[in-house]
Amino acid sequence: QPLLTQSSSASASLGSSVKLTCTLSSGHSHYIIAWHQQQPGKAPRFLMKLDGSGSYNKGSGVPDRFSGSSSGADRYLTISYLQSEDEADYYCETWDNDTHMFGGGTKLTVL
Amino acid sequence: QVHLQESGPGLVKPSQTLSLTCTVSRGSIGSGDYYWSWIRQTPGKGLEWIGYIYYNGNTYYNPSLKSRVTVSLDTSNNQFSLKLSSVTAADTAVYYCARKNSAYSHDSWGQGALVTVSS
Repeated sequence: QPLLTQSSSASASLGSSVKLTCTLSSGHSHYIIAWHQQQPGKAPRFLMKLDGSGSYNKGSGVPDRFSGSSSGADRYLTISYLQSEDEADYYCETWDNDTHMFGGGTKLTVL
Repeated sequence: QVHLQESGPGLVKPSQTLSLTCTVSRGSIGSGDYYWSWIRQTPGKGLEWIGYIYYNGNTYYNPSLKSRVTVSLDTSNNQFSLKLSSVTAADTAVYYCARKNSAYSHDSWGQGALVTVSS
């Protein structure tokens, strides 16, 4: 079963860019993941599906400021032109044999 | 855009069965393009996938919860349900219903329902 590792926290200034990382466990570097955003007090929201080549498909209404990329076992979520509403928890998700698992989430603070 | 809404008791006694229903609107649970899922969130364990059901009734459960979980469909009311038996305080969580695209991940979430297990 794959495991997903995320840093517990990150911070960046308003208007700048930030790159969040989700790392797949050994032997699972080819897995597709999804990124979800959870704003304070709200349900998670699907942002995008991201494969090992760096190709991504975003959910409906997700701003152009959100993009994805990949390198080896690392899957990245880049947020450009940070806005206050981007302050949230970000989770990655993957799946294997009809079992789903989530990373521990990264809490993004917008300074 | 599909909409999912959880409903059910917010308080369950230890050893009893937790029951929640998810009502789906602006989309049919009879579509073969999606699976219908339950996920929970606790401060200590983060997001935990519980299980999902396909339109034909096939179910798939998290191995760690499988012995206590039942997910079922009610296509006439466009709803699906979760039953979690023999609950303890560790089952206290916000429970989300969600839609899973058959090709990949969860792509729509309900607003969540807090369920507290306490006597």
